[in-house]
Amino acid sequence: EDQVTQSPEALRLQEGESSSLNCSYTVSGLRGLFWYRQDPGKGPEFLFTLYSAGEEKEKERLKATLTKKESFLHITAPKPEDSATYLCAVHLWGYGGATNKLIFGTGTLLAVQP
Amino acid sequence: DTAVSQTPKYLVTQMGNDKSIKCEQNLGHDTMYWYKQDSKKFLKIMFSYNNKELIINETVPNRFSPKSPDKAHLNLHINSLELGDSAVYFCASSQDPHGVSQPQHFGDGTRLSIL
Repeated sequence: EDQVTQSPEALRLQEGESSSLNCSYTVSGLRGLFWYRQDPGKGPEFLFTLYSAGEEKEKERLKATLTKKESFLHITAPKPEDSATYLCAVHLWGYGGATNKLIFGTGTLLAVQP
Repeated sequence: DTAVSQTPKYLVTQMGNDKSIKCEQNLGHDTMYWYKQDSKKFLKIMFSYNNKELIINETVPNRFSPKSPDKAHLNLHINSLELGDSAVYFCASSQDPHGVSQPQHFGDGTRLSIL
């Protein structure tokens, strides 16, 4: 069965303390992997798409990487405004007509304290 | 300008009632979706429409009926509401699903509470 697991469930960092969030997946055929940020009371906001192992994408203090089994979201010198839930989602091949189905992980709740 | 907008933002109602949630996108996307997010923040797809045609219909009770009057709108009607329907419902849209994976853009959700 296709599965997406994120760890840790929650992470508390001090401002400036770099860390990484993990998204591991066991799927039959990966078409793309997405990272989203979700603030309380808001919808997920798109951050990155990764398509193949070895690919990296960066945006400000965030950097996403992808291997054949997992993706990491590295946060360098985080600020309090980086506090949010970070979701990863995989887009799979082979769903017939349902070609744009995403399977989401349960997210990592990040809190950055000043 | 809001890209994907949902109304209402909050919906509080009694068990057994029928209610609708509306969604509109101004991104020019071909595909729209409904997701349900439970209390543990798990986001699960319910339906998707591509150019007004139903593409994905997950194992959702038939009390839930999506309707797409045009490709910019996707509404969700729920009959005979049950306690377990309490959740946040998100609408999303994306470009044509064929070809390269395209990100989905989400609205801010409708929080449905059943009393």
